[in-house]
Amino acid sequence: GESVGLHLPTLSVQEGDNSIINCAYSNSASDYFIWYKQESGKGPQFIIDIRSNMDKRQGQRVTVLLNKTVKHLSLQIAATQPGDSAVYFCAGSGYSTLTFGKGTMLLVSP
Amino acid sequence: EADIYQTPRYLVIGTGKKITLECSQTMGHDKMYWYQQDPGMELHLIHYSYGVNSTEKGDLSSESTVSRIRTEHFPLTLESARPSHTSQYLCASSASGRGSTDTQYFGPGTRLTVL
Repeated sequence: GESVGLHLPTLSVQEGDNSIINCAYSNSASDYFIWYKQESGKGPQFIIDIRSNMDKRQGQRVTVLLNKTVKHLSLQIAATQPGDSAVYFCAGSGYSTLTFGKGTMLLVSP
Repeated sequence: EADIYQTPRYLVIGTGKKITLECSQTMGHDKMYWYQQDPGMELHLIHYSYGVNSTEKGDLSSESTVSRIRTEHFPLTLESARPSHTSQYLCASSASGRGSTDTQYFGPGTRLTVL
């Protein structure tokens, strides 16, 4: 079955640095991936998505890279700010719904 | 900003009580979902619905039940709450049909504590 996981439970960066959060997936049939940001006490918020026919997609300060060969995707945040501190989840399309990974907590220090 | 609402935001209740967690969305989405999430942990799908009168159990076994009588409303009910039900419950919805994606939009969650 599908499983989606993240490599690191916590990532600590300095304000202004670039952050990279990684995610691995197991279902090669997944054709759609999403990154969510969840702040404390709130529901997950959509950040960016990517379809399997793409390798890269850019948003405002965020970039998602997809490597289908090794079943890996990453979220890059440029010039990380204190407001980026949150838990980040990747999710992949499954048979009937999305499968979420465990989450990486991003801690941004001034 | 997603237009999906959950009430109550926080609920503390005694063992054995019946509770209903409300979820409503104004986006006209056909698909709705309930997830259970412990602090700092992953989301576990407990129920989903593809439309009115459609409900399915998710990956995580749950003693809760759901109903979908109206498109915009997807309440979750626990007939007899227990301390093991203490968790955060997240509701989400997504569009369906040609051109849509599986992107789910989440409500703010209900944090349930059963004493």
